[in-house]
Order: sequence, then structure tokens, then C-alpha cells
Amino acid sequence: DGGITQSPKYLFRKEGQNVTLSCEQNLNHDAMYWYRQDPGQGLRLIYYSQIVNDFQKGDIAEGYSVSREKKESFPLTVTSAQKNPTAFYLCASSSTGERETQYFGPGTRLLVL
Amino acid sequence: SQKIEQNSEALNIQEGKTATLTCNYTNYSPAYLQWYRQDPGRGPVFLLLIRENEKEKRKERLKVTFDTTLKQSLFHITASQPADSATYLCALEADKLIFGTGTRLQVFP
Repeated sequence: DGGITQSPKYLFRKEGQNVTLSCEQNLNHDAMYWYRQDPGQGLRLIYYSQIVNDFQKGDIAEGYSVSREKKESFPLTVTSAQKNPTAFYLCASSSTGERETQYFGPGTRLLVL
Repeated sequence: SQKIEQNSEALNIQEGKTATLTCNYTNYSPAYLQWYRQDPGRGPVFLLLIRENEKEKRKERLKVTFDTTLKQSLFHITASQPADSATYLCALEADKLIFGTGTRLQVFP
């Protein structure tokens, strides 16, 4: 089955710790995105990548980092500099041909201990 | 300032009725607008896209309208079912996708 997978489903972070959220897609999509969702707020774009080895900051990139070494993978690291990391994190991808439509993964919920 | 607004209050309707959800925006000129469905604890799922030169788009029991003068999109679900209960997000194109906060729809038997 084609789709986007995210792992883990739940992630716990201790103070001062960096954690990495995984996102993999087998849809052969060029573009990938990371969003953060908080209660009562719309999805906010953290980072996006339109091609391998290239990525751009979104609206709330501070405290986060990404890499795009493979077309299929776009991991997000939440660093200790992100002071309010508790949220639901969503990864999405889209193809060059129909860039408008984004396909989302199941999400990772990050909680701070 | 730029805003995209959806009714934050939940919409409760009876099974079989038509549900209508609203998405309003200001200070954007989107080339298209999309609607997504999101179930609790899951990622959004794309439903429909409507372009600025289209007045209406249909897909099975779903209908979307797009009024660029009013800066508003309406999303209709006809013959609603309890399985339609979810949060519905609108998103407009502005170099990137801008998402609204979503409206929760509850369809009761």
C-alpha cells in the first residue's frame, strides 16, 4: 500500500533532550512538509522540502531542524531550544504534478516529561 | 492582517439533514481552496479542491462553493450520516497552504 508513515505514535521528551520524529513516504512525491497542530489553532508549517538535499523554513522553524537525504524520508528533530514542544506533529507530501493536494501521515504526539 | 476563519463552535445536526460549514478569509487572493477531513488523533484527509474560476464542485454527497467576492467557501454534506462526524479543515493557497482551525461536525441519529 502507498502512503506516509510516521513513527512513533507517541513520544516523550525530557528537559534538554533532542528527539527525532520519523516520516517516510512511498508515494514517489518530491515535496514533503512538517506541520505542528495545537488545540484551537490551524496547522502551522515548520519546514518543507521540494527536492532532495534542499529544504526551507516555514512559519515556526525556531527550535526545529530537518534533513532530506533521501526522497522517501524527511525526519524532524525537535531540539532543546524548542521551549514548548508539546503538540501533534503531522508530516505530509505532495507530487510535483498536483502540488496542491497534500497527503498526510497519521501524526506523532509529542509530550514533555 | 491576513486571516482564515472557520466557526470554532461545533455543528450538531440530525442524520439525513444537510450540514453546511463556512470558511471565510481576508487579505488573501487564493488561486484555489481545499477542504480536508480530520478524525481525532489522525492526519487530515483531502476531500475537495475548488479553483478561483469555479463556482461549485461536487463529489458524491459533498459540495463546495467558492465566492471570491465574498471571500468565502461553503462546504455542504447532504444526507449526512453519523460516520460524517469529524473536524473539517479548509485550506487556501498563498504560496503555501494556509489552514483554518477547523469546525467539528457531529451528526446524531
